[in-house]
Formats: sequence, structure tokens, C-alpha cells
Amino acid sequence: GAVVSQHPSRVICKSGTSVKIECRSLDFQATTMFWYRQFPKQSLMLMATSNEGSKATYEQGVEKDKFLINHASLTLSTLTVTSAHPEDSSFYICSASKETQYFGPGTRLLVL
Amino acid sequence: AQSVSQHNHHVILSEAASLELGCNYSYGGTVNLFWYVQYPGQHLQLLLKYFSGDPLVKGIKGFEAEFIKSKFSFNLRKPSVQWSDTAEYFCAVTPDYTSGTYKYIFGTGTRLKVLA
Repeated sequence: GAVVSQHPSRVICKSGTSVKIECRSLDFQATTMFWYRQFPKQSLMLMATSNEGSKATYEQGVEKDKFLINHASLTLSTLTVTSAHPEDSSFYICSASKETQYFGPGTRLLVL
Repeated sequence: AQSVSQHNHHVILSEAASLELGCNYSYGGTVNLFWYVQYPGQHLQLLLKYFSGDPLVKGIKGFEAEFIKSKFSFNLRKPSVQWSDTAEYFCAVTPDYTSGTYKYIFGTGTRLKVLA
């Protein structure tokens, strides 16, 4: 149990385009979902906390207009990187939570 | 500010050696504590967690951790490591779960390499 999926697993896009990443909890309803970035050989950096039906809470320094989060249901949250630039290239990881966070496999984004 | 420290950034062990990875947190209230493992190319997997009760917690794959409240520590141990334990290990703390938001504070991670 407690499986979290992410789609796509890898995406390459041109600078200026937008990219949507989906996070789904497959076998449980998550009250909260979290979005992280992970830089090479570093820990996870929390970007935002997403609760179903309400606005996401962004961490300090994370641009909410650039990283749009929609939490449509208790099993689905999406992160849209708008007008992506090369510096947005990273590994994006979501987690779905009841009391314990269960992590998705991550999405590697490369912006050319 | 609340923080989680993992003092060992890189650890190299031979197979069958014992392992102890340190985790200390700075928060005076009640916390939930977690250890996750990230194998190369894979996603984070939960090894074990502590919410309450017996401070010695047993997890998967022979791992255990001990919560010592007075030391603000939650060290991970394994009596005999295997080559397959090569991975990165993350400690995480939920300092404010009573609010209903189980936001983690992660440690910086410890990269373990086990030599065959």
C-alpha cells in the first residue's frame, strides 16, 4: 500500500514553455501533498504544501506564479512550471501524506 | 530555526560491518521522526518511523533506530550491512504534526557505500 506515482518521469522542453507534472496517490486518499526539488547529491528542498480544495502554501523563496500547484482531489496534485528556464532544470519529487509521507519516483525536468 | 543534522555525510563500510548513522534535531516539542532510504536511481522509501511508545523502533531490511529524547537524537543502526545497503539515507522530523500539517524537515542525507 501507499503507492505514489508521478507522470512524466522525464521531460525535456524548450525555454519559455510550460510543463505540467502529475502526482497521484494510487491506493489511499492523501490529505496533503508536498512538492520538492532535489539537486544533485543534495537533500530535498520543500517547495510547497498542497491541501485538497485550498491554495497551496509556498516556502520562502519559491515563486507561486512560476510553480502553479493545483490539488483537484484527494488523490491528485499537479505542479506546472510556467515559462520554464534552464535554471528550472531539476528533479521534482512529490509526496502524499496522511501522517507519513510517501514519495513518488520523481520527474526529471530538463529545460533547453 | 528548526533543523535536522546528519553529521556523517559519507560513510564507507565493508560488508558485515555495523552501521550507525546520526540524526539530531533542534525542536523542543513533540515530534514524529522518520528515516528514509534512496537507492541509486530510485525514489525515497520509508525505512522506519517513530510516533510514540517504545523508543527503539524496528524497520524494514534489518534497520532499527532509537529515539533518545534527552539528546534530541534518532540514530539509525544496522548490525551487519550488505552491499545492497549502498544508498543515501535521510532523516526527517515532523515538528508540528498536531496542527495537521505533516511537513517534514529533512536532514542533509548520508551517503553510504558498502564495499563487497
